[in-house]
Amino acid sequence: QVQLVESGGGVVQPGGSLRLSCAASGFTFSRYPMHWVRQAPGKGPEWVTVISYDGNDKHNADSVKGRFTISRDNSKNTLYLQMNSLRAEDTAVYYCARDRNIAAAVYYFDSWGQGTLVTVSS
Amino acid sequence: EIVLTQSPDTLSLSPGERATLSCRASQTVRSYLAWYQQKPGQAPRLLIYDASNRATGIPARFSGSGSGTDFTLTISSLEPEDFAVYYCQQRSSWPALTFGGGTKVEIK
Repeated sequence: QVQLVESGGGVVQPGGSLRLSCAASGFTFSRYPMHWVRQAPGKGPEWVTVISYDGNDKHNADSVKGRFTISRDNSKNTLYLQMNSLRAEDTAVYYCARDRNIAAAVYYFDSWGQGTLVTVSS
Repeated sequence: EIVLTQSPDTLSLSPGERATLSCRASQTVRSYLAWYQQKPGQAPRLLIYDASNRATGIPARFSGSGSGTDFTLTISSLEPEDFAVYYCQQRSSWPALTFGGGTKVEIK
């Protein structure tokens, strides 16, 4: 079955950096667009970023533009999120999520990881 | 940005009762709307996509309807495992997609 396992979360000071990873298994990772979605404590989810199945196309939410970079290694079935210039408002559980569609993203998320908590605090 | 407003904030019902959840968009999203269920400590789960299509493995008691700006998620007869928070999400304005604030369905 589809499994997504995030890692790399933790506590970081404002202005710091963190790199999240998401290990995928149970499906052909290289065929699916992948997303990062975050959820601040007590809030609804917020979409963060997407990468195409081949890694050639990426889009970010305005709230993270210029600070966060998504990437993938299809040979390792792994998704990444490099987060720089972190702010207090970036504090959230970060989920990797699979797009519902093969090849072209449709921006619906049919499989999610368990999430990893990122806390930005001094 | 398209704002999704969900109502009510909380719905208090008993098992076996019918639940009707609303999601209103600030501008048309055509039929590009999904519903998710989230239980405490868990990730969201996709229930409905494109307003009325059930995702794989979702029971038939869950149904979605609507188009344009007004959408409804109906749970025909609540099971104990259905008490959770429900979110709507639009993809009409991708990549600037948005989620609603959620409706909590709690046991009365």
